[in-house]
Amino acid sequence: QKEVEQDPGPLSVPEGAIVSLNCTYSNSAFQYFMWYRQYSRKGPELLMYTYSSGNKEDGRFTAQVDKSSKYISLFIRDSQPSDSATYLCAMKRGNNAGKSTFGDGTTLTVKP
Amino acid sequence: GAGVSQSPSNKVTEKGKDVELRCDPISGHTALYWYRQSLGQGLEFLIYFQGNSAPDKSGLPSDRFSAERTGGSVSTLTIQRTQQEDSAVYLCASSLTGVQPQHFGDGTRLSIL
Repeated sequence: QKEVEQDPGPLSVPEGAIVSLNCTYSNSAFQYFMWYRQYSRKGPELLMYTYSSGNKEDGRFTAQVDKSSKYISLFIRDSQPSDSATYLCAMKRGNNAGKSTFGDGTTLTVKP
Repeated sequence: GAGVSQSPSNKVTEKGKDVELRCDPISGHTALYWYRQSLGQGLEFLIYFQGNSAPDKSGLPSDRFSAERTGGSVSTLTIQRTQQEDSAVYLCASSLTGVQPQHFGDGTRLSIL
């Protein structure tokens, strides 16, 4: 079983919809949580970075972490066609951290 | 400021040849990482540098793979005697410290014929 599970989709929504992307994890040592967006033939681009449980908002993006349930979410409000990409969740342990463990990514298409 | 730079962006080589992939991290970033991404797959960790030392090289798939970092900056990933299963996108990332989030380059697309 993978340490980080992410529904691969694909997910297709109309422009303006609210998008919910989710990951679950099994290792309680994870302390830092990230969401990346990856366009085709590009490297992952950092969207959100949170530490421990709670919510963090940045523009149209909201990241939620629920450590008790080992569950993280990314919400995209007022989705745009330019949001069409693959979204990757990632997690780091505490104790000097180091490598991140990634989900396999969810492919999102926002239709005009 | 400049982001993470990787070269070459594409590399095609014959099976059995050696290849070198280069990464220039963001200036001032002490941590550097190499990952591999196969078609339609997630990111597979290869190695992590803190300064010039590699405290975690647990992801290197075989002894054909090696990496070094010099001057706390540029890193080179070397694959010897390449095999077809080595075909993938090799991504480099850097972060200010080991606990900070990573920033990625656009990768080197490696194809082994």
